[in-house]
Amino acid sequence: AQRVTQPEKLLSVFKGAPVELKCNYSYSGSPELFWYVQYSRQRLQLLLRHISRESIKGFTADLNKGETSFHLKKPFAQEEDSAMYYCALSGGMNRDDKIIFGKGTRLHILP
Amino acid sequence: DTGVSQDPRHKITKRGQNVTFRCDPISEHNRLYWYRQTLGQGPEFLTYFQNEAQLEKSRLLSDRFSAERPKGSFSTLEIQRTEQGDSAMYLCASSLGDAFKSWNTGELFFGEGSRLTVL
Repeated sequence: AQRVTQPEKLLSVFKGAPVELKCNYSYSGSPELFWYVQYSRQRLQLLLRHISRESIKGFTADLNKGETSFHLKKPFAQEEDSAMYYCALSGGMNRDDKIIFGKGTRLHILP
Repeated sequence: DTGVSQDPRHKITKRGQNVTFRCDPISEHNRLYWYRQTLGQGPEFLTYFQNEAQLEKSRLLSDRFSAERPKGSFSTLEIQRTEQGDSAMYLCASSLGDAFKSWNTGELFFGEGSRLTVL
């Protein structure tokens, strides 16, 4: 069964400090992994996806199949990074390609 | 195109009543999803469509819930005989899937949600 686990409900980090939001997943095949973000009073939106191997707003995420993890990282936190972050998984090109989400981590950047 | 729109934005109803939510996706998107979100939780998958075909419905979903997308454009989510536990934000999202491979590109575009309160 597909499952996404985000162990931290809240993460508080000082401005300028590194950020790491943890995500672990369970899936029997080769999944596609995503990070979605929701800023205050805004809609949920895609931040990045692992197949693109891109850096968005200074964030990166590496898919580690051995550890079944897809942690989100940023070397230097900025106050505008404060938001809810959701890790998500899809079966990709398989038939079972619905997208499911973790419970989310609230990132709070301290001044 | 203003993106995914949902109506109504807020609905307050009494227990036992039926409610219906509507979602208008981005016009060229062939995939449409419904999620439910309660306080402190992530979006919980309910069901999704490829054009007018309903591909999957969550096994956790009661038979009181039904969704349609009759012409492959807008979708409705109906909840019959509402219960207090149905109180939540109902989110709709659309995406551009590959019609030949049924492959989801992965980028979901969300609406602002419809908040349901059951008294």
